[in-house]
Amino acid sequence: DAEITQSPRHKITETGRQVTLACHQTWNHNNMFWYRQDLGHGLRLIHYSYGVQDTNKGEVSDGYSVSRSNTEDLPLTLESAASSQTSVYFCASSDYRGTELFFGEGSRLTVL
Amino acid sequence: GIQVEQSPPDLILQEGANSTLRCNFSDSVNNLQWFHQNPWGQLINLFYIPSGTKQNGRLSATTVATERYSLLYISSSQTTDSGVYFCAAPFMNRDDKIIFGKGTRLHILP
Repeated sequence: DAEITQSPRHKITETGRQVTLACHQTWNHNNMFWYRQDLGHGLRLIHYSYGVQDTNKGEVSDGYSVSRSNTEDLPLTLESAASSQTSVYFCASSDYRGTELFFGEGSRLTVL
Repeated sequence: GIQVEQSPPDLILQEGANSTLRCNFSDSVNNLQWFHQNPWGQLINLFYIPSGTKQNGRLSATTVATERYSLLYISSSQTTDSGVYFCAAPFMNRDDKIIFGKGTRLHILP
């Protein structure tokens, strides 16, 4: 079955370290998204991609970067982790713009 | 700015009760989705509903795109329905960015 997987599922890191969260989908979807979820804010869009070599900023992109070198993967990098980036991160994908969105299981990141 | 507003923010019901959750959106959208986030944090797709009405068991959803709202109906609630319900929509005038509401937290009492 096609799926979307995130790794690691849980990570603890220190302030200032670089962190990369992986997202891999086997749906062969064109579009991929990264969201963060925090109490009181719901899910907020960090970055998104509508195809290979395409990346775009979302609502809360400061301190994050993504790259899309193939269809299956959209890694999310925190260049210098901050305590404010402690959150649960969800990756999602969809076939075409405006079509149904499917989520991964989430990655819980704690920055100490 | 773009807004997706959900109401009520919180809802506590006895098992067996019915409920209606509402989602209002501020601009034109291509479609609308409803998700259930269970107590383990998983986001489960409920409905992909650009317009009209769909039903799946005890759950149904209606979207009226011209009036910019969607409703999720849960009938004969069960404790497994507890969790947070989110609606989300891609906004046509914002590069189809998919924006989420803040959710309705539903707690079903046994």
